[in-house]
Amino acid sequence: NAGVTQTPKFQVLKTGQSMTLQCAQDMNHNSMYWYRQDPGMGLRLIYYSASEGTTDKGEVPNGYNVSRLNKREFSLRLESAAPSQTSVYFCASSEAPGTGGVQNIQYFGAGTRLSVL
Amino acid sequence: GQQVMQIPQYQHVQEGEDFTTYCNSSTTLSNIQWYKQRPGGHPVFLIQLVKSGEVKKQKRLTFQFGEAKKNSSLHITATQTTDVGTYFCAAGSNTGGFKTIFGAGTRLFVKA
Repeated sequence: NAGVTQTPKFQVLKTGQSMTLQCAQDMNHNSMYWYRQDPGMGLRLIYYSASEGTTDKGEVPNGYNVSRLNKREFSLRLESAAPSQTSVYFCASSEAPGTGGVQNIQYFGAGTRLSVL
Repeated sequence: GQQVMQIPQYQHVQEGEDFTTYCNSSTTLSNIQWYKQRPGGHPVFLIQLVKSGEVKKQKRLTFQFGEAKKNSSLHITATQTTDVGTYFCAAGSNTGGFKTIFGAGTRLFVKA
């Protein structure tokens, strides 16, 4: 049982390049999330998918796109990378969306450390 | 939009001293979660509080949810070097839809 798996672990891009960050979970969770973490800024939600077939913008969606490929996989795409997108990206999943109850607990992947030069 | 303020941003303690981090919201929360992130690691769920005035303990860690469900605290008694890391609160709101809002975190440094 791997939990939440993110690939790659590290990536260096040049400004303007594109790439896709992959995320897969094996816990049969309905909801998946993408966050970015910058020093002193905590975790900021980029996009989330409450259930298979749906995606919604979070706090900082500009410059990103997502795809909920199936129940297990949720990818994040940078179409034209910018230095401001240098960050650590975390994918997370939870049993369900909503508030209260254990189904709201989020499980995080190990992260992708991205540098854009 | 909803914000969750967490203080302090950093805390340096001597091993054996106590530590507290606070989480505050301007709106009533339906629940609050606490996560710990070790340096270089990823956030790991610690606990969830749902009831007004709720207090939960995990060994040396004590978690409280305010009576008005607008604030929460995490207290560590007699810190150890293994407590090093960043502690995040994460709030759910009845008006927040599906999103859980994370505080900026409190980074704890413990000197042996």
